[in-house]
Amino acid sequence: DADVTQTPRNRITKTGKRIMLECSQTKGHDRMYWYRQDPGLGLRLIYYSFDVKDINKGEISDGYSVSRQAQAKFSLSLESAIPNQTALYFCATSDQTGPTGELFFGEGSRLTVL
Amino acid sequence: GEDVEQSLFLSVREGDSSVINCTYTDSSSTYLYWYKQEPGAGLQLLTYIFSNMDMKQDQRLTVLLNKKDKHLSLRIADTQTGDSAIYFCAEDNFNKFYFGSGTKLNVKP
Repeated sequence: DADVTQTPRNRITKTGKRIMLECSQTKGHDRMYWYRQDPGLGLRLIYYSFDVKDINKGEISDGYSVSRQAQAKFSLSLESAIPNQTALYFCATSDQTGPTGELFFGEGSRLTVL
Repeated sequence: GEDVEQSLFLSVREGDSSVINCTYTDSSSTYLYWYKQEPGAGLQLLTYIFSNMDMKQDQRLTVLLNKKDKHLSLRIADTQTGDSAIYFCAEDNFNKFYFGSGTKLNVKP
């Protein structure tokens, strides 16, 4: 089983709909992140959380919100989806006690907004 | 955010060396990273270098860091078709990680 699990893996929705992408991890890491990937733009940080009570905006948080329900769960919501939010979304975790801060990624959630 | 720049594509023949380049802006990064993304998958850490090092070698991989020019490179020796993937460099800024655009490496048989 994957250590970082994202659901759904694929979703097609319409403009204006509310969408939630969920992430759960079994690695026991405190730090969790949401990124979006667009061709030619790499990964851009949306939100990050260093523990359950800590939520921070990243580079591109407008139009998104997050919820850290537990150490293991970090959800990303699009309150009113728009077409330019069509992208591949990745959840990641890191271990603050590790020497390198390596990120561990889920397999991604592909979102299409029509 | 931080600016991390890479060229988008690189094509090499099997057995040749590949060199993927990256420039970054944050001179305070403790570590710099190379991640690999295979089709349909998330990113996986390939290697990293501590910011006070100039070079790190790990089997077929050589990482060079030029702090003065803020330039990072990844050399893959004896490139194989299985090395075809997208390679991302990344820097950390107080445990926020900023990624480049990714370089798609195509290895021709």
